[in-house]
Amino acid sequence: GENVEQHPSTLSVQEGDSAVIKCTYSDSASNYFPWYKQELGKGPQLIIDIRSNVGEKKDQRIAVTLNKTAKHFSLHITETQPEDSAVYFCAADDYKLSFGAGTTVTVRA
Amino acid sequence: ETGVTQTPRHLVMGMTNKKSLKCEQHLGHNAMYWYKQSAKKPLELMFVYNFKEQTENNSVPSRFSPECPNSSHLFLHLHTLQPEDSALYLCASSQAAPGDNEQFFGPGTRLTVL
Repeated sequence: GENVEQHPSTLSVQEGDSAVIKCTYSDSASNYFPWYKQELGKGPQLIIDIRSNVGEKKDQRIAVTLNKTAKHFSLHITETQPEDSAVYFCAADDYKLSFGAGTTVTVRA
Repeated sequence: ETGVTQTPRHLVMGMTNKKSLKCEQHLGHNAMYWYKQSAKKPLELMFVYNFKEQTENNSVPSRFSPECPNSSHLFLHLHTLQPEDSALYLCASSQAAPGDNEQFFGPGTRLTVL
C-alpha cells in the first residue's frame, strides 16, 4: 500500500514569511494529491489539490508542486498570516487516500 | 459548515459500555468513510461505504461495527472498547469511491475510553 512521509512535523514562521511543507509517497500509481488544513476543534478541510498530469498549481497565497519522478510534492504558503496557524496534512490517492502525519504550523505575530 | 455533521461531539465511555457514533452528510454524495485520528499519527482509514455497500475494512477490530442504512447516514457502533481506542473519530464523504474525489470531513467525535 501507499506510504506518505511528511516533513517537518512542526513549523514556526514569522508573520509575512513563507512556509514550506514537503511530502514523499511510495506508490507510483498515486495520481491525486490533496492538502488538508485542520483547525482546532474541526475536521480537515481541503485547501488545494493537484493531479498527476500537472506539475504546479496555485491559489492565491497557496501553491503546490509535484515531482512524479522523485515522488514528492510540496505545499507553499506565502505571506503567512495568523489565521494560517493550523495542522496541515498531505495525502496521496492510489485507490484510497493515505495521509501524512501532519505539520503543525504556527505563525508568530 | 462542510455539509457533514457528527454526533455526539464528545463521548466518554467505560470499557463495558455500548455506544454509537452518528454521521450525516447533506451533500448528495455516494461514499462515506470512517477515520481514526490519534495524536501525531496519520489519519487511519477504518471503513469505506460506496452506495451503501462496504468496500473497505482496514483490518479494524470487531469491537467497531459500522452501519450504513443509506447513502446519507453512517454509524459506528462501539462495544467493549479499550483505552487505546481513545481518539478523534472522523467521518467523511465523497462523490464516489474509489477515485480521486475530494473528501469532505465532519468535525469528529472525541472519544475517551476509561
